[in-house]
Amino acid sequence: AQTVTQSQPEMSVQEAETVTLSCTYDTSESDYYLFWYKQPPSRQMILVIRQEAYKQQNATENRFSVNFQKAAKSFSLKISDSQLGDAAMYFCASEYSGAGSYQLTFGKGTKLSVIP
Amino acid sequence: NAGVMQNPRHLVRRRGQEARLRCSPMKGHSHVYWYRQLPEEGLKFMVYLQKENIIDESGMPKERFSAEFPKEGPSILRIQQVVRGDSAAYFCASSRSTGEGTDTQYFGPGTRLTVL
Repeated sequence: AQTVTQSQPEMSVQEAETVTLSCTYDTSESDYYLFWYKQPPSRQMILVIRQEAYKQQNATENRFSVNFQKAAKSFSLKISDSQLGDAAMYFCASEYSGAGSYQLTFGKGTKLSVIP
Repeated sequence: NAGVMQNPRHLVRRRGQEARLRCSPMKGHSHVYWYRQLPEEGLKFMVYLQKENIIDESGMPKERFSAEFPKEGPSILRIQQVVRGDSAAYFCASSRSTGEGTDTQYFGPGTRLTVL
C-alpha cells in the first residue's frame, strides 16, 4: 500500500514571495507518478503539476516547480511569486499502476494562505 | 471542451433514503474514478470503472454502496439507506487511455451530500 504524508497542516506566504510545501511518500514500487492538486474554496480539484518517477528532471509549470528526491521519497512543491489566487488547500498524491488500477492516494493537505 | 460534469452539486437526504450521484467524464475519457472527501481530510479512493466494468472497488464500503458506468450515459454512484456518516463531498475523476495505461485524472466539481 502507498502512503502520502504532508507534515504541514497550514502555511502562509507574503504576496510575491516564494513558499515550499512538503510531501513524503512511501512505496515499494519503481514505476509511479506523483501529483500536486490545488483545492480552492470552490472545492474544485485542480491539477497543478505531475511528475513521472522514472524522470530525473524536476517538473515545472510556470510559477510552480517540484523538488523530486526519489531516494528520499520526497516531492515538495515550490510556488514562486505567490499570488492571492494561490490561496487554497494543496494535496500531494501518488499513483501506482500495479494490478491494473490507477487509484490516487492523497495526503491530508496543506492549507496555504497568501498575505497581501 | 467541457470538463468532468457532476450532478447534483448539492444533495440533501434524510436517513434511510437513497442518494444517486452522477458523473459524465470528459470527452474521449473512458476511465472513471470516484473519491470521497470527509471534512478536513484528503480524498479517499472508492472505485475505478471503465465502460460496463468495475476494475477496482477496493475502497468501496461493502454494504449500501454501488457504482456503475453503463455503455451509454453517465457513471452513477448509488448509496442506499444513507446514514449521517455518509455526509461528505464525493468527487468523480476521469482519464483517457494511453498505450501504457491511463493518463492524468481530471476532477469534477464534486457533489456535497448532506444527510439529515
